[in-house]
Amino acid sequence: NAGVTQTPKFQVLKTGQSMTLQCAQDMNHNSMYWYRQDPGMGLRLIYYSASEGTTDKGEVPNGYNVSRLNKREFSLRLESAAPSQTSVYFCASSEEAYLLNQPQHFGDGTRLSIL
Amino acid sequence: EDQVTQSPEALRLQEGESSSLNCSYTVSGLRGLFWYRQDPGKGPEFLFTLYSAGEEKEKERLKATLTKKESFLHITAPKPEDSATYLCAVPSDRGSTLGRLYFGRGTQLTVWP
Repeated sequence: NAGVTQTPKFQVLKTGQSMTLQCAQDMNHNSMYWYRQDPGMGLRLIYYSASEGTTDKGEVPNGYNVSRLNKREFSLRLESAAPSQTSVYFCASSEEAYLLNQPQHFGDGTRLSIL
Repeated sequence: EDQVTQSPEALRLQEGESSSLNCSYTVSGLRGLFWYRQDPGKGPEFLFTLYSAGEEKEKERLKATLTKKESFLHITAPKPEDSATYLCAVPSDRGSTLGRLYFGRGTQLTVWP
């Protein structure tokens, strides 16, 4: 069972470079999410997509853009990477964002270092 | 202000030594509380959903309980393979942030032989 798949698993960028993190889920979920996880900060929501065709800002959206390509795929783009964006990025999905008792299921993350 | 607070931050147990992890929350009108396990280099893995005060869920050596203001994750006779970071999360109850999960910072559990 693949669940939520993230690519790449590791990436090193130089300041100012751009890149796109990819995420795909095979659980037929409507809602998808991007988080970052930093030591001592916990998981923080960057953007989410409640359903195909919609995206909304989370807690820390600055410096990021997202695209909900279709029901399965949700990408996160860094247009001009900064050292402060060095983090572990997790994608997650759930059946419906507004069904509050539905758990989110996570991928194994992309470890991104920006020099 | 943190919506979810977990304690302790770190816990070291000897194999077989039972203990509990705490998750307290400040959202009103709780719609559910989630427990996750996270291993190093992996994403959070869903463990339990608790829906209402008094509810309990069990899985192997883990039992999660819920009151009106907090949840406990009880670990009975832990083994080294239970070593992980345990996260709890609650959904937002506010219109502008509906659908979001608030995560605690986690308890890092180490069980030594």
